[in-house]
Amino acid sequence: DAKTTQPNSMESNEEEPVHLPCNHSTISGTDYIHWYRQLPSQGPEYVIHGLTSNVNNRMASLAIAEDRKSSTLILHRATLRDAAVYYCILGWTTGNQFYFGTGTSLTVIP
Amino acid sequence: NAGVTQTPKFRILKIGQSMTLQCTQDMNHNYMYWYRQDPGMGLKLIYYSVGAGITDKGEVPNGYNVSRSTTEDFPLRLELAAPSQTSVYFCASTLSEVSPLHFGNGTRLTVT
Repeated sequence: DAKTTQPNSMESNEEEPVHLPCNHSTISGTDYIHWYRQLPSQGPEYVIHGLTSNVNNRMASLAIAEDRKSSTLILHRATLRDAAVYYCILGWTTGNQFYFGTGTSLTVIP
Repeated sequence: NAGVTQTPKFRILKIGQSMTLQCTQDMNHNYMYWYRQDPGMGLKLIYYSVGAGITDKGEVPNGYNVSRSTTEDFPLRLELAAPSQTSVYFCASTLSEVSPLHFGNGTRLTVT
């Protein structure tokens, strides 16, 4: 019962920016938008999260649409170490739960 | 801080056997979660807990049980293991909806 929709896969050239989209048309007013990534054979790791305003940290930027029905994770300069599956999830619509979808598999081309 | 620690890392079970996957966190997080990840798939929520003594079902709870007697520990019990439970199991915890989820390194379980 994933509440977000992401492309199955994307490719990027090394050292170029990457924009990973996510649709969440049923988002409620109290849902936070979280992004995680999962490197091969590892557990997911936190990337970034936000509620309404765009957010930046040392790993990435999160751009949230004004109606909050979509968001974009921006990796400013892709490196080979950024090759991973990226998950966009909504936090806590009901019952303190985080549901993961199938994510976007990002391939970085040297 | 060790973060979220899961044991064992690997386990092979025969059909019908039982086992407990251990998860402990040292960050004083109230919220803890168990997920399973089948090959090539995303994570599915099995059970979660909002504090000691409180647990609830997620998307795929059948065949599993949990308990939460302390803030630190959230074990996942498999009774009567079945091949369909072959998966990688991840435990996670968080302080709140505005805090990141912290994941353990996972337990890879094979049921044959």
